[in-house]
Amino acid sequence: GAGVSQTPSNKVTEKGKYVELRCDPISGHTALYWYRQSLGQGPEFLIYFQGTGAADDSGLPNDRFFAVRPEGSVSTLKIQRTERGDSAVYLCASSLTWTSGVYNEQFFGPGTRLTVL
Amino acid sequence: GENVEQHPSTLSVQEGDSAVIKCTYSDSASNYFPWYKQELGKRPQLIIDIRSNVGEKKDQRIAVTLNKTAKHFSLHITETQPEDSAVYFCAASPAAGNKLTFGGGTRVLVKP
Repeated sequence: GAGVSQTPSNKVTEKGKYVELRCDPISGHTALYWYRQSLGQGPEFLIYFQGTGAADDSGLPNDRFFAVRPEGSVSTLKIQRTERGDSAVYLCASSLTWTSGVYNEQFFGPGTRLTVL
Repeated sequence: GENVEQHPSTLSVQEGDSAVIKCTYSDSASNYFPWYKQELGKRPQLIIDIRSNVGEKKDQRIAVTLNKTAKHFSLHITETQPEDSAVYFCAASPAAGNKLTFGGGTRVLVKP
């Protein structure tokens, strides 16, 4: 079946602009995660959704970052007043419902490469 | 929070030799340890994982070992092949919630 998809694949914007990054999870996956991967580093957790609600947003770096998942499927990561330091690959992942003691594989999307000039 | 350290950052091996990557973690509550392979420009893909109730797991040429007392785990690739060349990431997940904390990655180059 179809995997996790992300759009756009590349986004170039100017400092101070607003951007939206979209993630389409695998059908039936209720858990959705956003990570950020800077060049040469491992992915860094941003936020995790269980259904429509953000179960853990402890990784969002500041209040310029916000994410939504209004219908429990597609998610949008929103970045206001972009800064050059926001340049990175933004990865989305999805998995089956998390339950206590059961760790389900996270399937990653191809990422959106954000460049802030 | 959790901190995962990964070594080495780069590893060059001759085809057919073994490769070993080591990770340490800080949070004793972590119970799930996946390994991801990421080829250049591609998405991370899970290659093997281990849960805290076992010490070792094998899948063909790859194996992972876990020492919960010492808080470290390792990836072993035997009989390496050129297609094993990629960046490998270890990760740890806490008992509560499923977010992953990743190590910094190891770039593996298998020379034919």
